[in-house]
Amino acid sequence: EVQLVESGGGLVKPGGSLRLSCAASGFAFSNAWMSWVRQAPGKGLEWVGRIKSKTDGGTTDYAAPVKGRFSISRDDSKNTLYLQMNSLKTEDTAVYYCSDGLAVWGQGTTVTVSS
Amino acid sequence: DIQMTQSPSSLSASVGDRVTITCRASQSISSDLNWYQQKPGKAPNLLIYAASSLRSGVPSGFSGSGSGTDFTLTISSLQPEDFATYYCQQTHGTFGQGTKVEIK
Repeated sequence: EVQLVESGGGLVKPGGSLRLSCAASGFAFSNAWMSWVRQAPGKGLEWVGRIKSKTDGGTTDYAAPVKGRFSISRDDSKNTLYLQMNSLKTEDTAVYYCSDGLAVWGQGTTVTVSS
Repeated sequence: DIQMTQSPSSLSASVGDRVTITCRASQSISSDLNWYQQKPGKAPNLLIYAASSLRSGVPSGFSGSGSGTDFTLTISSLQPEDFATYYCQQTHGTFGQGTKVEIK
Protein backbone atom coordinates (compact mmCIF):
# COMPACT_ATOMS: atom_id res chain seq x y z
CA GLU A 1 0.00 0.00 0.00
CA VAL A 2 1.30 3.43 -0.93
CA GLN A 3 1.55 5.41 2.27
CA LEU A 4 3.10 8.42 3.97
CA VAL A 5 3.01 8.71 7.75
CA GLU A 6 4.06 11.92 9.48
CA SER A 7 5.20 12.13 13.08
CA GLY A 8 6.93 14.54 15.45
CA GLY A 9 4.31 17.22 15.86
CA GLY A 10 3.49 18.77 19.22
CA LEU A 11 3.46 21.88 21.35
CA VAL A 12 6.55 24.07 21.31
CA LYS A 13 7.31 27.54 22.63
CA PRO A 14 8.09 30.47 20.31
CA GLY A 15 11.74 30.39 19.38
CA GLY A 16 11.91 26.65 19.84
CA SER A 17 12.70 23.83 17.42
CA LEU A 18 10.96 20.69 16.22
CA ARG A 19 11.77 17.97 13.71
CA LEU A 20 9.02 16.29 11.75
CA SER A 21 9.44 12.92 10.06
CA CYS A 22 7.55 11.36 7.17
CA ALA A 23 7.89 7.61 6.63
CA ALA A 24 7.18 6.42 3.10
CA SER A 25 6.19 2.96 1.93
CA GLY A 26 4.79 1.28 -1.16
CA PHE A 27 6.51 3.43 -3.79
CA ALA A 28 10.00 4.31 -5.03
CA PHE A 29 10.74 7.00 -2.45
CA SER A 30 14.33 7.52 -3.58
CA ASN A 31 13.13 8.56 -7.05
CA ALA A 32 10.48 10.96 -5.76
CA TRP A 33 10.61 14.70 -5.30
CA MET A 34 8.96 15.34 -1.96
CA SER A 35 7.20 18.36 -0.49
CA TRP A 36 5.99 19.62 2.85
CA VAL A 37 2.69 21.52 2.92
CA ARG A 38 0.99 23.12 5.91
CA GLN A 39 -2.45 24.37 6.77
CA ALA A 40 -3.06 26.83 9.59
CA PRO A 41 -6.36 26.52 11.43
CA GLY A 42 -9.20 27.67 9.19
CA LYS A 43 -6.82 28.69 6.41
CA GLY A 44 -5.80 27.39 3.01
CA LEU A 45 -2.98 25.11 1.97
CA GLU A 46 0.52 26.62 2.05
CA TRP A 47 3.51 25.04 0.33
CA VAL A 48 6.47 24.94 2.72
CA GLY A 49 9.25 23.48 0.62
CA ARG A 50 10.52 20.72 -1.64
CA ILE A 51 13.49 18.40 -1.99
CA LYS A 52 14.43 16.80 -5.28
CA SER A 53 15.53 13.21 -5.62
CA LYS A 54 19.27 12.62 -5.31
CA THR A 55 19.45 11.63 -8.96
CA ASP A 56 18.04 15.06 -9.79
CA GLY A 57 20.52 16.80 -7.50
CA GLY A 58 18.80 16.54 -4.11
CA THR A 59 18.40 20.31 -3.91
CA THR A 60 15.86 22.08 -1.76
CA ASP A 61 13.61 25.10 -2.22
CA TYR A 62 11.53 26.90 0.39
CA ALA A 63 8.63 29.32 0.66
CA ALA A 64 9.62 32.82 1.72
CA PRO A 65 8.00 32.68 5.22
CA VAL A 66 10.18 29.72 6.27
CA LYS A 67 13.40 30.29 4.31
CA GLY A 68 16.38 30.34 6.65
CA ARG A 69 14.42 28.75 9.52
CA PHE A 70 13.22 25.42 8.08
CA SER A 71 15.32 22.71 6.46
CA ILE A 72 14.18 19.68 4.48
CA SER A 73 16.29 16.54 4.23
CA ARG A 74 15.83 12.91 3.26
CA ASP A 75 17.28 9.53 4.15
CA ASP A 76 16.60 7.25 1.22
CA SER A 77 18.02 4.25 3.11
CA LYS A 78 15.18 4.69 5.60
CA ASN A 79 12.55 5.92 3.12
CA THR A 80 12.09 8.93 5.37
CA LEU A 81 11.65 12.65 4.77
CA TYR A 82 12.41 15.24 7.43
CA LEU A 83 11.47 18.83 8.20
CA GLN A 84 13.69 20.60 10.72
CA MET A 85 11.94 23.69 12.04
CA ASN A 86 13.94 26.27 14.00
CA SER A 87 13.11 29.70 15.42
CA LEU A 88 9.44 28.77 15.44
CA LYS A 89 6.82 31.50 15.48
CA THR A 90 3.18 31.43 16.53
CA GLU A 91 2.23 31.78 12.86
CA ASP A 92 3.89 28.41 12.15
CA THR A 93 1.02 26.73 14.01
CA ALA A 94 -0.55 24.36 11.48
CA VAL A 95 -1.15 20.83 10.36
CA TYR A 96 1.92 19.74 8.41
CA TYR A 97 1.57 17.29 5.52
CA CYS A 98 4.23 15.53 3.49
CA SER A 99 3.44 14.68 -0.12
CA ASP A 100 4.99 13.37 -3.30
CA GLY A 101 3.66 16.51 -4.94
CA LEU A 102 0.84 14.62 -6.61
CA ALA A 103 -1.44 11.92 -5.27
CA VAL A 104 0.35 10.63 -2.19
CA TRP A 105 -0.26 12.55 1.02
CA GLY A 106 0.17 11.76 4.69
CA GLN A 107 -2.54 12.24 7.27
CA GLY A 108 -0.79 15.29 8.73
CA THR A 109 0.82 16.09 12.06
CA THR A 110 -0.14 19.09 14.17
CA VAL A 111 2.39 21.68 15.28
CA THR A 112 1.31 24.25 17.85
CA VAL A 113 3.63 27.15 18.68
CA SER A 114 2.48 28.85 21.84
CA SER A 115 3.85 30.12 25.12
CA ASP B 1 8.46 33.28 -6.44
CA ILE B 2 5.53 32.34 -8.65
CA GLN B 3 2.16 33.47 -7.29
CA MET B 4 -1.06 31.57 -7.99
CA THR B 5 -4.29 33.58 -8.02
CA GLN B 6 -7.48 31.54 -7.81
CA SER B 7 -11.02 32.80 -8.28
CA PRO B 8 -13.63 32.97 -7.02
CA SER B 9 -12.76 32.49 -3.34
CA SER B 10 -16.19 30.98 -2.77
CA LEU B 11 -19.32 30.18 -4.70
CA SER B 12 -22.81 28.88 -4.02
CA ALA B 13 -24.26 26.38 -6.44
CA SER B 14 -26.97 23.76 -6.71
CA VAL B 15 -26.73 20.06 -7.44
CA GLY B 16 -26.56 19.68 -11.20
CA ASP B 17 -24.95 23.08 -11.83
CA ARG B 18 -21.87 23.51 -13.98
CA VAL B 19 -19.06 25.09 -11.97
CA THR B 20 -15.88 26.73 -13.24
CA ILE B 21 -12.89 27.77 -11.12
CA THR B 22 -9.96 29.67 -12.56
CA CYS B 23 -6.32 29.86 -11.56
CA ARG B 24 -3.73 32.29 -12.89
CA ALA B 25 0.03 32.00 -12.46
CA SER B 26 2.20 35.11 -12.20
CA GLN B 27 4.48 33.65 -14.88
CA SER B 28 4.33 30.72 -17.23
CA ILE B 29 4.35 27.31 -15.59
CA SER B 30 3.72 25.36 -18.80
CA SER B 31 1.35 22.54 -17.75
CA ASP B 32 2.80 22.03 -14.26
CA LEU B 33 -0.55 22.59 -12.57
CA ASN B 34 -2.57 20.30 -10.32
CA TRP B 35 -6.09 20.60 -8.90
CA TYR B 36 -7.02 19.25 -5.48
CA GLN B 37 -10.25 18.77 -3.56
CA GLN B 38 -10.17 19.03 0.21
CA LYS B 39 -12.87 18.22 2.73
CA PRO B 40 -12.73 19.33 6.38
CA GLY B 41 -10.21 17.44 8.48
CA LYS B 42 -8.84 15.50 5.50
CA ALA B 43 -5.70 15.66 3.41
CA PRO B 44 -6.08 17.09 -0.11
CA ASN B 45 -7.18 14.69 -2.82
CA LEU B 46 -5.64 15.01 -6.29
CA LEU B 47 -8.21 15.43 -9.07
CA ILE B 48 -6.29 16.71 -12.09
CA TYR B 49 -2.56 16.69 -12.81
CA ALA B 50 -0.50 18.22 -15.61
CA ALA B 51 -3.30 20.76 -16.09
CA SER B 52 -5.70 18.44 -17.90
CA SER B 53 -5.05 14.80 -17.00
CA LEU B 54 -7.78 13.18 -14.91
CA ARG B 55 -6.44 11.06 -12.08
CA SER B 56 -7.57 7.46 -12.24
CA GLY B 57 -10.71 6.92 -10.18
CA VAL B 58 -11.83 10.55 -10.27
CA PRO B 59 -15.30 11.00 -11.79
CA SER B 60 -15.33 12.11 -15.40
CA GLY B 61 -17.41 15.15 -14.48
CA PHE B 62 -14.17 16.84 -13.44
CA SER B 63 -11.98 18.35 -16.14
CA GLY B 64 -9.04 20.71 -16.36
CA SER B 65 -7.70 22.90 -19.10
CA GLY B 66 -5.11 25.56 -19.77
CA SER B 67 -1.39 26.04 -20.07
CA GLY B 68 1.12 28.81 -19.51
CA THR B 69 -0.53 31.15 -17.01
CA ASP B 70 -4.28 30.52 -17.21
CA PHE B 71 -6.00 27.37 -16.02
CA THR B 72 -9.55 26.19 -15.40
CA LEU B 73 -11.19 23.45 -13.36
CA THR B 74 -14.70 22.54 -14.48
CA ILE B 75 -17.26 20.39 -12.72
CA SER B 76 -19.83 19.58 -15.38
CA SER B 77 -22.70 18.63 -13.07
CA LEU B 78 -22.24 19.29 -9.37
CA GLN B 79 -22.93 16.28 -7.15
CA PRO B 80 -23.64 16.36 -3.38
CA GLU B 81 -20.22 14.89 -2.62
CA ASP B 82 -18.52 17.69 -4.60
CA PHE B 83 -19.22 20.37 -2.00
CA ALA B 84 -15.70 21.03 -0.74
CA THR B 85 -12.77 23.40 -1.12
CA TYR B 86 -10.70 23.26 -4.32
CA TYR B 87 -7.08 24.35 -4.74
CA CYS B 88 -4.80 24.77 -7.70
CA GLN B 89 -1.08 24.22 -7.19
CA GLN B 90 2.00 24.67 -9.28
CA THR B 91 3.59 21.22 -9.04
CA HIS B 92 5.89 21.21 -5.97
CA GLY B 93 5.14 24.88 -5.50
CA THR B 94 2.63 27.54 -4.52
CA PHE B 95 -1.08 26.92 -3.99
CA GLY B 96 -3.93 29.16 -4.97
CA GLN B 97 -5.99 30.61 -2.13
CA GLY B 98 -8.74 28.03 -2.53
CA THR B 99 -12.36 28.07 -3.71
CA LYS B 100 -15.03 26.93 -1.30
CA VAL B 101 -17.99 25.41 -3.13
CA GLU B 102 -21.12 25.65 -0.99
CA ILE B 103 -24.69 24.51 -1.38
CA LYS B 104 -27.08 27.20 -2.59
